[in-house]
Amino acid sequence: QSVLTQPPSVSAAPGQKVTISCSGSSSNIGNNYVSWYQQFQGTAPKLLIHDNDKRPSGIPDRFSGSRSGTSATLGITGLQTGDEADYYCGTWDSALSSVVFGGGTKLTVL
Amino acid sequence: QLQLQESGPGLVKPSETLSLSCSVSGGSISSPTYYWDWIRQPPGKGLQWIGRIDETGTTYYNPSLESRLTISVHTSNNQFTLRLTSMTAADTAVYYCARSPDDYGDGFDLWGQGTLVTVSS
Repeated sequence: QSVLTQPPSVSAAPGQKVTISCSGSSSNIGNNYVSWYQQFQGTAPKLLIHDNDKRPSGIPDRFSGSRSGTSATLGITGLQTGDEADYYCGTWDSALSSVVFGGGTKLTVL
Repeated sequence: QLQLQESGPGLVKPSETLSLSCSVSGGSISSPTYYWDWIRQPPGKGLQWIGRIDETGTTYYNPSLESRLTISVHTSNNQFTLRLTSMTAADTAVYYCARSPDDYGDGFDLWGQGTLVTVSS
């Protein structure tokens, strides 16, 4: 049982837009920054978004992040088959004194 | 280009102690602007944060692992290490070392490739 709640799976057609939600509480998302990661099978996660909405150098602007209250959202536009991966949200939890992650969302590009 | 590389045993017996190292190349582990973290992922499951250390040796541990966990930094050879005692099958996972810049809101911008640790007799 993950501290942050993500949908197990989402899907959309190539070229379309998809959003992935991440729900938490005041002790984590509500008062701390959210990061998002992309993970392909058998490889290490890759940082897509940090500080709720900031993209590291080299991450295309097709990827965006936002936070509202105790929830965060990752958006991906112009979907490509190469975007098929697992996506995780993460943040600090002040009550647990730990970094916590969502359970992950598998993106399928139909 | 800074890189991280985990090393250690792939197989550990139940009740034994796991020791893993993370070698930092292309940059200094002594930089004051980063945390150095351990994260694990059981097969087919999600990510679990284990703990972190900074260049001064200050540590922050996941409370669920704290009683069994020691993370150390070795600036002389640009490495940081994880020691986890009393291993059980539940500790079977891919173990990653990662870097968290202190201005990235606990985001991890660099990851090692990961090393699979299996706990089995």
